Amino acid sequence: AQSVAQPEDQVNVAEGNPLTVKCTYSVSGNPYLFWYVQYPNRGLQFLLKYITGDNLVKGSYGFEAEFNKSQTSFHLKKPSALVSDSALYFCAVRDDNYGQNFVFGPGTRLSVLP
Amino acid sequence: NAGVTQTPKFQVLKTGQSMTLQCAQDMNHNSMYWYRQDPGMGLRLIYYSASEGTTDKGEVPNGYNVSRLNKREFSLRLESAAPSQTSVYFCASSEAGDRGNYGYTFGSGTRLTVV
Repeated sequence: AQSVAQPEDQVNVAEGNPLTVKCTYSVSGNPYLFWYVQYPNRGLQFLLKYITGDNLVKGSYGFEAEFNKSQTSFHLKKPSALVSDSALYFCAVRDDNYGQNFVFGPGTRLSVLP
Repeated sequence: NAGVTQTPKFQVLKTGQSMTLQCAQDMNHNSMYWYRQDPGMGLRLIYYSASEGTTDKGEVPNGYNVSRLNKREFSLRLESAAPSQTSVYFCASSEAGDRGNYGYTFGSGTRLTVV
């Protein structure tokens, strides 16, 4: 079965500093990995995905994520954080052996301090 | 604007009451989903519909029923609401019919409180 973990409930970073939001996963087949962001009182919005190809994936708002197969990780990164990046971030995984549904992590709250 | 529309946005129910949450998408997506979001637990799948005419249980289906009315609409019904169903409910849709690599488009959510 597929599963995903986000080991940090909360990440605090100063504006202008690099940020990392961690995600690890477990699948039996090949993983399809997604990051979503949720702003207050809003639905989740797609940020980026890894399906195949280059391990470094670039997405919306300057975010990127690196797929690491040996460490089964898909950490979200941004070189220079903005206060407006403060939100709840979800990692999601689908195992290509288990059909189409994704499993979501518990979410990590990112706070960027001015 | 194209997307997923959920109604209502807020609802307060008394224990034992029933209600239906409505969801409609105008992107011609095949698949639709209902999730609930609880603090510290992320999103949990209640029911999904891979295509028009089909529905399947997700991780937490007890106490809920769904109807895929047509390709656009997917409703979630609580027959007898319980306080444990207090949550934020999200509808989502996807192009994926089977083994697609597409992400989900989410609605803005329904905040339900059962007292």
